[in-house]
Amino acid sequence: DAKTTQPPSMDCAEGRAANLPCNHSTISGNEYVYWYRQIHSQGPQYIIHGLKNNETNEMASLIITEDRKSSTLILPHATLRDTAVYYCIVRLGPISWGKLQFGAGTQVVVTP
Amino acid sequence: SQTIHQWPATLVQPVGSPLSLECTVEGTSNPNLYWYRQAAGRGLQLLFYSVGIGQISSEVPQNLSASRPQDRQFILSSKKLLLSDSGFYLCAWAFTHGILSFGPGTRLTVT
Repeated sequence: DAKTTQPPSMDCAEGRAANLPCNHSTISGNEYVYWYRQIHSQGPQYIIHGLKNNETNEMASLIITEDRKSSTLILPHATLRDTAVYYCIVRLGPISWGKLQFGAGTQVVVTP
Repeated sequence: SQTIHQWPATLVQPVGSPLSLECTVEGTSNPNLYWYRQAAGRGLQLLFYSVGIGQISSEVPQNLSASRPQDRQFILSSKKLLLSDSGFYLCAWAFTHGILSFGPGTRLTVT
């Protein structure tokens, strides 16, 4: 699976959009980008995933560059409850699905 | 809807004692099941995964073992705990397309 690079930490003001970058320059054509987050003392929670096209759901939007070497997770209106570690993971899709390798992630702190 | 249970929620065990953590999933059949561990201040480490009853794959060699005696039951065990086994143990199941649903976790402290 391709390696990902994320900033170790980010601050965001409550009510503003949070833009979380992720670099995955070695991604291959059949690898997906997944985002999870982990609120303190809880298990990780799935947010969103995509292959080529931008994706949006009730939690966030995922923007993948045309060359697929980087992506951005957007939390449109950050709340205090969005304070968490956010993980960007790149892996093969349906084949061997579920074997996710979590990196260090980005610690996002949303402040009032 | 699907639900994943883990118990106990917290556990304090002395070094050298045995361990048994249980995970069960409701509302689905033949799930892929996973055990992850998160040491204090560290990332999540995949320990074991299972694609069916009696089928266990180990990702990291250590003094832990896993078993899947029933379709929706996944057990993590150890015969003798080490201090380094302390951590937050998470069970998860994959329902589609690389999406994992995690349980509430067991926080293990080995003293």
